[in-house]
Amino acid sequence: AQSVTQLDSQVPVFEEAPVELRCNYSSSVSVYLFWYVQYPNQGLQLLLKYLSGSTLVKGINGFEAEFNKSQTSFHLRKPSVHISDTAEYFCAVSGQGAQKLVFGQGTRLTINP
Amino acid sequence: KAGVTQTPRYLIKTRGQQVTLSCSPISGHRSVSWYQQTPGQGLQFLFEYFSETQRNKGNFPGRFSGRQFSNSRSEMNVSTLELGDSALYLCASSPMGGSGETQYFGPGTRLLVL
Repeated sequence: AQSVTQLDSQVPVFEEAPVELRCNYSSSVSVYLFWYVQYPNQGLQLLLKYLSGSTLVKGINGFEAEFNKSQTSFHLRKPSVHISDTAEYFCAVSGQGAQKLVFGQGTRLTINP
Repeated sequence: KAGVTQTPRYLIKTRGQQVTLSCSPISGHRSVSWYQQTPGQGLQFLFEYFSETQRNKGNFPGRFSGRQFSNSRSEMNVSTLELGDSALYLCASSPMGGSGETQYFGPGTRLLVL
């Protein structure tokens, strides 16, 4: 079984500041890792995913994440945030061989002008 | 391509009633998954359908059921509604339902049980 822990439920940052959203996972098998974003009153949109290969993954809207197997982490970063990045961000894992996503509790990112 | 569509977008029911939610996947996608999102429990997997067969099921009571049609459209049904069933129900589709495939989410159906 897999589990995901998002270490911060809320992260406030100022516009144009860098941000890191933290995600740790637990699994007894190899996993695939995902970051999704949810804007108010909308479904989830994929930001990026790690399947294999390079541990630094680049996604949409200037986001990137780094897979660290030894620390079982997959933190999301953006060097400079914009007001439009205000949303809830979800880290998720799936076991290899299963479509089912296991989500973390989410991190609400608030951008202050 | 049109995205995943879900109908209705909002629904109000009373305890004890049943409800059916509908999901139309992206054209060509054969796998449809359903998730429940609540403030307390977060996002939880309900079930996945592929080629009209349920392939995976989450840890939900038997009141929650689903089906998939030959055109890949899917419905989920909740019988004997409870207050705790109030949630946003999200549908997601992917081409083959393979692990690692991107799942594309619809906007959700918000169900309120009174």
